[in-house]
Amino acid sequence: DSGVTQTPKHLITATGQRVTLRCSPRSGDLSVYWYQQSLDQGLQFLIQYYNGEERAKGNILERFSAQQFPDLHSELNLSSLELGDSALYFCASSESTRALNYGYTFGSGTRLTVV
Amino acid sequence: DAKTTQPTSMDCAEGRAANLPCNHSTISGNEYVYWYRQIHSQGPQYIIHGLKNNETNEMASLIITEDRKSSTLILPHATLRDTAVYYCIVRSPYPLGGTASKLTFGTGTRLQVTL
Repeated sequence: DSGVTQTPKHLITATGQRVTLRCSPRSGDLSVYWYQQSLDQGLQFLIQYYNGEERAKGNILERFSAQQFPDLHSELNLSSLELGDSALYFCASSESTRALNYGYTFGSGTRLTVV
Repeated sequence: DAKTTQPTSMDCAEGRAANLPCNHSTISGNEYVYWYRQIHSQGPQYIIHGLKNNETNEMASLIITEDRKSSTLILPHATLRDTAVYYCIVRSPYPLGGTASKLTFGTGTRLQVTL
C-alpha cells in the first residue's frame, strides 16, 4: 500500500457518459498529480493541484476537469467519454511543489474502459 | 526539462547485476536525474535520484558521469520481481516562474529478468 488511494479500481461505462475518479493523497502531501496511460501513449501528465489550487496543466482535454478539495482529496471528472479515453488513470502525490522532493508516490490506478 | 534516451529493452539473468543506461546530454546544472519503475500496469514506483554524486539506497545504485551527460541505474542482484519498465527522468525540483516540477515520462527500458 503506497498510501495513495484511488477509487474505483475498475470502471466500465458507455460512450457519451461522465465519470468521476477519486484520489486520496498520502497523509501530509499537498500536491496531487493526475496521469493518463493508454496503450499507445505511455504516461501522460494531465494536471497538478497544490493545496487546492491548480498549479500545472498538461495534455488535458477540455472534456476533462479536476479539483482538489479542502481535505486534499482530488477528483478527476471525465465527460462525453469516447472509446479513446479508455486507459489507466493514475494519481500521485508529493510533499511540496517547491521543495526538493524524494519522488512522487503513485496510487494503483483506475482502469477505465469505455464501450 | 532535458530529454533522455534509454534502450527499449534489456535482459538480465536472475542474481546478476542489471545495469540500465540513460543518456541526458542536454541536462542543465540544476536538474536532477530520477529513476522510476512500473511493474505491469501498477503505479510507477520511485527508485532513486541524484544530482552529480553517486547515490545508493536499499533498492539500487545510481552512477552519474562526471559531465552529467549520462547515468546508469544498477540493480545489484536482479530478481524476477524486478521485471518492469524503468524510466529515467531529468527535471529541476524547483519550479521556475510558477511552473510546477512535473514528472515527464518517456518510453523507458523494459527490463526482463530471466531464470
